[in-house]
Amino acid sequence: GAVVSQHPSWVICKSGTSVKIECRSLDFQATTMFWYRQFPKQSLMLMATSNEGSKATYEQGVEKDKFLINHASLTLSTLTVTSAHPEDSSFYICTGERNTEAFFGQGTRLTVV
Amino acid sequence: QQQVKQSPQSLIVQKGGISIINCAYENTAFDYFPWYQQFPGKGPALLIAIRPDVSEKKEGRFTISFNKSAKQFSLHIMDSQPGDSATYFCAASETSGSRLTFGEGTQLTVNP
Repeated sequence: GAVVSQHPSWVICKSGTSVKIECRSLDFQATTMFWYRQFPKQSLMLMATSNEGSKATYEQGVEKDKFLINHASLTLSTLTVTSAHPEDSSFYICTGERNTEAFFGQGTRLTVV
Repeated sequence: QQQVKQSPQSLIVQKGGISIINCAYENTAFDYFPWYQQFPGKGPALLIAIRPDVSEKKEGRFTISFNKSAKQFSLHIMDSQPGDSATYFCAASETSGSRLTFGEGTQLTVNP
């Protein structure tokens, strides 16, 4: 199957700082990528749709100024958590779509202390 | 997002048994219903998926049953193995592969 890679796999940051998470499609081009958030022992919730060359589309309740998404190329989307707070600690997962199938990255565990 | 309800929350089966997880949805525009397996600390991996034009799909030990009129679908894992112990999520979308709405997840434990 297609490969989607996230970096970093885990990150610890201090409250008030910003963290950038990268999502790369390694063997296909993804004009659209999706970002999900998963709290411990909970389901995945869609945060936003990342569109190459245009603004991301955010789900209701997701702060676009806090979760900055950039999709500057067909193989890379980034999610920046700005002014992180402990409640932003979560597992962030991206997906890229190829041939109508969603391929998930391995996820990024963010811990804000 | 429309909701997808999943049950049970947790499931314990013996090795060789059948694991059954159920999901129900509300949005009749959904036309793609995948099941994902997730191990701790990892992203979900697609197990099997179905579209509403068929009532059943089987791949190896995994079978999806789909009831369009009841807006329900289920995953059956035959001959369950300890290596199947993981969290399973059903999902649905209006267009395959995109904007997935996930169920709450089922923690499956298969005892040796």
